[in-house]
Amino acid sequence: RKEVEQDPGPFNVPEGATVAFNCTYSNSASQSFFWYRQDCRKEPKLLMSVYSSGNEDGRFTAQLNRASQYISLLIRDSKLSDSATYLCVVKTRGMNRDDKIIFGKGTRLHILP
Amino acid sequence: DAGVTQSPTHLIKTRGQQVTLRCSPKSGHDTVSWYQQALGQGPQFIFQYYEEEERQRGNFPDRFSGHQFPNYSSELNVNALLLGDSALYLCASSLSLRMDIQYFGAGTRLSVL
Repeated sequence: RKEVEQDPGPFNVPEGATVAFNCTYSNSASQSFFWYRQDCRKEPKLLMSVYSSGNEDGRFTAQLNRASQYISLLIRDSKLSDSATYLCVVKTRGMNRDDKIIFGKGTRLHILP
Repeated sequence: DAGVTQSPTHLIKTRGQQVTLRCSPKSGHDTVSWYQQALGQGPQFIFQYYEEEERQRGNFPDRFSGHQFPNYSSELNVNALLLGDSALYLCASSLSLRMDIQYFGAGTRLSVL
């Protein structure tokens, strides 16, 4: 089982719709979780951290389910500018107490006009 | 406030050659991490530099080496290039070995022919 798995997509969604991405992780000791956004041929940029209680930033909502080891990202009222690849990122504390960061392969989202 | 800068932006090499990529971290940051992102994949961690030492390393062969300078800038060297080394190489900077909050440069796109 891969350490971090995401639906590869692409998700083709009409403008204004709601879209949800899921991500599963294999290491139950994972500590922190993030969603990054990567535009075509650009660098990844932090979209939001994911907290146990769930968190919201405008049209974006992230949730964490530790028992089932998955995180989700919900985008409401999607805009054309939301078209991008969304990367799930998991941080785990390694054996030497170093942080280990694992990126998922990303889920591609196309918002259709 | 300068963000993370990488050079060159694009590079074409042939198999067996050697390449050096450069990264200047965001102002105030002292930690540099390097990632390889193949087409359609998420970034994979290569190694991390802090206080001019390699602090941790991902699952990459010894052909991949690096260096950090007193001004916190960093280089990634790849020897004996293989076709499979073709990828986007991303540099990320952070503070004090943190990996949860990282800022990425725009990357160097390496093509090995």
